Amino acid sequence: VQLEESGGGLVQPGRSLRLSCAASGFIFDDYALHWVRQAPGKGLEWVSGISWNSGTIGYADSVKGRFTISRDNAKNSLYLEMNSLRPEDTALYYCAKDLYSTPMTLGSWGQGTLVTVSS
Amino acid sequence: SFDLTQPPSVSVSPGQTASITCSSDSLADKYVCWYQQKPGQPPLLVIDRDNMRPSGFPERFSGSNSGKTATLTISETQALDEADYYCQTWDASHVVFGGGTKLTVL
Repeated sequence: VQLEESGGGLVQPGRSLRLSCAASGFIFDDYALHWVRQAPGKGLEWVSGISWNSGTIGYADSVKGRFTISRDNAKNSLYLEMNSLRPEDTALYYCAKDLYSTPMTLGSWGQGTLVTVSS
Repeated sequence: SFDLTQPPSVSVSPGQTASITCSSDSLADKYVCWYQQKPGQPPLLVIDRDNMRPSGFPERFSGSNSGKTATLTISETQALDEADYYCQTWDASHVVFGGGTKLTVL
């Protein structure tokens, strides 16, 4: 299993950013996927998850209405569209593959992409 | 949503047994997973569904769930077990992590 995040960077408050996660080494459309973030020196915070067929999607309250998760099973890719970014969104964002087809257990993780929200 | 409460830190001597707890009012109908995270690395799943070890993972790691408290137990603790440990469960397609416990082996 390989998960490679991209799209992070420095962005001003209020702006948008799109993260991508390229997956390989497994049957992509069999599994749920997640975004999890970790602010510097802090714990893990689940951001969003999506089931194998995009039929079940969940968001943390802290990002609901601002972030949108999506997946393209034809491209083996997961995305996170982040709008109205705030300084408190600054974190390392991990892409994770579930062990199951609906959000339950995060079995494999990427190395993360850093998002910094600052003026 | 609901909260999972973990102690911020646990200390253990090498060779002894470490127990890390994860508490909530509503774990009776839920499965709990555990992750290990070492500095500069992504988390690693160590226990799935209360007490299932991923293939190839050391038998020294075990888990349990009593309904209000889930426990990760590490027997014969080694220096390489020093890390942050997080419990996690899910509810209505929402995933919840505990605040994390720093395990110190000294």
